[in-house]
Amino acid sequence: EPEVTQTPSHQVTQMGQEVILRCVPISNHLYFYWYRQILGQKVEFLVSFYNNEISEKSEIFDDQFSVERPDGSNFTLKIRSTKLEDSAMYFCASSVGVGYGYTFGSGTRLTVV
Amino acid sequence: QKEVEQNSGPLSVPEGAIASLNCTYSDRGSQSFFWYRQYSGKSPELIMFIYSNGDKEDGRFTAQLNKASQYVSLLIRDSQPSDSATYLCAVSSSNTGKLIFGQGTTLQVKP
Repeated sequence: EPEVTQTPSHQVTQMGQEVILRCVPISNHLYFYWYRQILGQKVEFLVSFYNNEISEKSEIFDDQFSVERPDGSNFTLKIRSTKLEDSAMYFCASSVGVGYGYTFGSGTRLTVV
Repeated sequence: QKEVEQNSGPLSVPEGAIASLNCTYSDRGSQSFFWYRQYSGKSPELIMFIYSNGDKEDGRFTAQLNKASQYVSLLIRDSQPSDSATYLCAVSSSNTGKLIFGQGTTLQVKP
């Protein structure tokens, strides 16, 4: 069964450093998303991406964050100048279309120290 | 602020029983409704989705939607210990596919 692949599975970074989280969506999917889940809390929407541009972003997704699809397969989330409160599990997801439900990747656990 | 509410539980049922999980949402413009299962430390896994009022069945799972009451439920028949997980309700009212998740209900199925 097709999978969404995320790397790394765990990233530890020092406060103030930049991190890049990587995702390879399912190949025939057209809609891409990033979500995060702080331990014990809800899964929160960060950003949606379609046709090589951001289609919607949340209040969380401020200038500290950016996304990119540098080639036909990868989808990245960059967090500049990380803060302690950025520590969370970050999930990438993709979908063949709006309203079809997503396939989530296995997640990257980001720990900011 | 668009909200999706679930009872966090835990909901405990004996093996073989029916588990009933409930969810309410605040945005009347919501169009698509999803149930995900999340095992501890893992990513959400899509169980099923529903768009229209009424019931939708898939194996042991039945999703029920009542838009007038802004209510979605998931029934799990013949519950198994392997069904023990957190069940997330998610709602979409956006043409970008953005989902708003509830807190999740923890289900414990006891052998």
